[in-house]
Amino acid sequence: DAEITQSPRHKITETGRQVTLACHQTWNHNNMFWYRQDLGHGLRLIHYSYGVQDTNKGEVSDGYSVSRSNTEDLPLTLESAASSQTSVYFCASSPDVALGQFFGPGTRLTVL
Amino acid sequence: TQLLKQSPQFLSIQEGENLTVYCNSSSVFSSLQWYRQEPGEGPVLLVTVVTGGEVKKLKRLTFQFGDARKDSSLHITAAQPGDTGLYLCAGPNYNQGGKLIFGQGTELSVKP
Repeated sequence: DAEITQSPRHKITETGRQVTLACHQTWNHNNMFWYRQDLGHGLRLIHYSYGVQDTNKGEVSDGYSVSRSNTEDLPLTLESAASSQTSVYFCASSPDVALGQFFGPGTRLTVL
Repeated sequence: TQLLKQSPQFLSIQEGENLTVYCNSSSVFSSLQWYRQEPGEGPVLLVTVVTGGEVKKLKRLTFQFGDARKDSSLHITAAQPGDTGLYLCAGPNYNQGGKLIFGQGTELSVKP
């Protein structure tokens, strides 16, 4: 069955380290998204991509980057992790934004 | 700026009761989506409503899109403990490349 996976599911890192969170989908969707979810802030969009080689900034993109070299993967990189980036991160993909998104299981990241 | 406001934010009811969750905006949306998120998991798409006045049913859940396409509601009949979770409404913002705007969510707890 087609699916969307994220790895790792849990990560503890130290301030200043570079961290990469993986997202892989097997639906062949062109549209992929990264969100963070924090209490009191709901889901906030970090970066998104509408196809290979396309990347766009969301509302909270500072300190994060993405690259899209193929349809299946959209890795999220924290260039220099900060404690403010402790959060739960969700990846999503969609065949059509108007019709809905399919979310991965999430990665819980703790920056000490 | 398009915003989606959900109400109530928190709802705690007994098994067997009915409830309604509202999702309102001052802006027109081409479609609205409803998601349910359980603790430790990613949001799961329940339904997308597209046509003003549209009503969709998913077992004991009834979703309605307002005639003016500015609001939506989710009604649950005879709630069960398995309905417990965070309910999110979302809609595409075509002024910002079709990115999804999420409401803040309604935290539902159904006690046996």
